[in-house]
Amino acid sequence: EAQVTQNPRYLITVTGKKLTVTCSQNMNHEYMSWYRQDPGLGLRQIYYSMNVEVTDKGDVPEGYKVSRKEKRNFPLILESPSPNQTSLYFCASGTANQPQHFGDGTRLSIL
Amino acid sequence: QKEVEQNSGPLSVPEGAIASLNCTYSDRGSQSFFWYRQYSGKSPELIMSIYSNGDKEDGRFTAQLNKASQYVSLLIRDSQPSDSATYLCAVRPTSGGYQKVTFGTGTKLQVIP
Repeated sequence: EAQVTQNPRYLITVTGKKLTVTCSQNMNHEYMSWYRQDPGLGLRQIYYSMNVEVTDKGDVPEGYKVSRKEKRNFPLILESPSPNQTSLYFCASGTANQPQHFGDGTRLSIL
Repeated sequence: QKEVEQNSGPLSVPEGAIASLNCTYSDRGSQSFFWYRQYSGKSPELIMSIYSNGDKEDGRFTAQLNKASQYVSLLIRDSQPSDSATYLCAVRPTSGGYQKVTFGTGTKLQVIP
């Protein structure tokens, strides 16, 4: 089954404690992206990757890091999380000719 | 000006009616257009994509694109309570092969039984 898998689905943590949200896709897609979704603001792109070792900033990259060492994985790293990063996060993958498919989301709460 | 604009709603329609959802975009070079449905707390689910002017039908859903007016719409015929969700319009240019997809903030649809 084609899917984008995010882990964890839910996380409550404290300010300053490094965390990683993993994202894996089994569709051999070149393109992967991270979004955050906040009420009234819609989906905003954090980072994207067009292929292995190729990443770039989206619209709201501050406070986040990513890496793309393998085609299937695109982890999102919060080195020093802060309360304003409390949000619903989505990973997505796609190709140049296909629309994006989204993971089930990760709800992060940073106290 | 927002790149992709949608009325946030809620748009309320009675069961069995036609729901009409609208979206305008600012980048005249945009070539690919998508409609996603998102239930509360869930991930966006692709329901329609359209790439050329005119109408595209898939079951109860019809997407309409007018590039000259920079306008894309989604019609849902015979609306059902299960259609109650937020509908996201997404737009993608084709330049450079970079998949920069811009989303609207979504229109909340409520179908009243």
